Amino acid sequence: AQRVTQPEKLLSVFKGAPVELKCNYSYSGSPELFWYVQYSRQRLQLLLRHISRESIKGFTADLNKGETSFHLKKPFAQEEDSAMYYCARPPRGSARQLTFGSGTQLTVLP
Amino acid sequence: DTGVSQDPRHKITKRGQNVTFRCDPISEHNRLYWYRQTLGQGPEFLTYFQNEAQLEKSRLLSDRFSAERPKGSFSTLEIQRTEQGDSAMYLCAAAGGSPTGELFFGEGSRLTVL
Repeated sequence: AQRVTQPEKLLSVFKGAPVELKCNYSYSGSPELFWYVQYSRQRLQLLLRHISRESIKGFTADLNKGETSFHLKKPFAQEEDSAMYYCARPPRGSARQLTFGSGTQLTVLP
Repeated sequence: DTGVSQDPRHKITKRGQNVTFRCDPISEHNRLYWYRQTLGQGPEFLTYFQNEAQLEKSRLLSDRFSAERPKGSFSTLEIQRTEQGDSAMYLCAAAGGSPTGELFFGEGSRLTVL
């Protein structure tokens, strides 16, 4: 089965500490990899995508050589980073849809 | 505002009833998706439209579910003979441009089946 796994349902860090949200894939294939974020009482929105090689709100994500992980990192977490984070990737055989992980709830403590 | 609106935001119904959800993207969004999200899970793909054509359907989409996008603008998702297991958040997402460009999500329609 093609799976997108986020092993941590909950993650808490203190403000100013580094944070890493893990995302693992059971399959390789499309380089279209995404992190989506949902802040409290807001809709799901794109945070960053692999193909853009961008850093958004201080977050970066790197695809490992085996194309099986795409962890999200930020060197200094801020309280406003508290949110639900989902990684996503098209399933093999379809470039049109995304398979999402189950999400990690990040809480940044003061 | 992503320009994707969904209605109703919340629907409570009794088992066996039919429900319909509507999604209105902006005109530039030729691609439209329906996802379902249950508690503690990420969004699960249900179906995809390019303009008015339904190009992909998930095996999750039983024959009680039907989606339409008749004029390539708004879309409806109907669930017939609802079951308690249908209780979930139904998310609409839309996009234009490349096949795997950014998806713009609506706020969702929460279904509760009693």
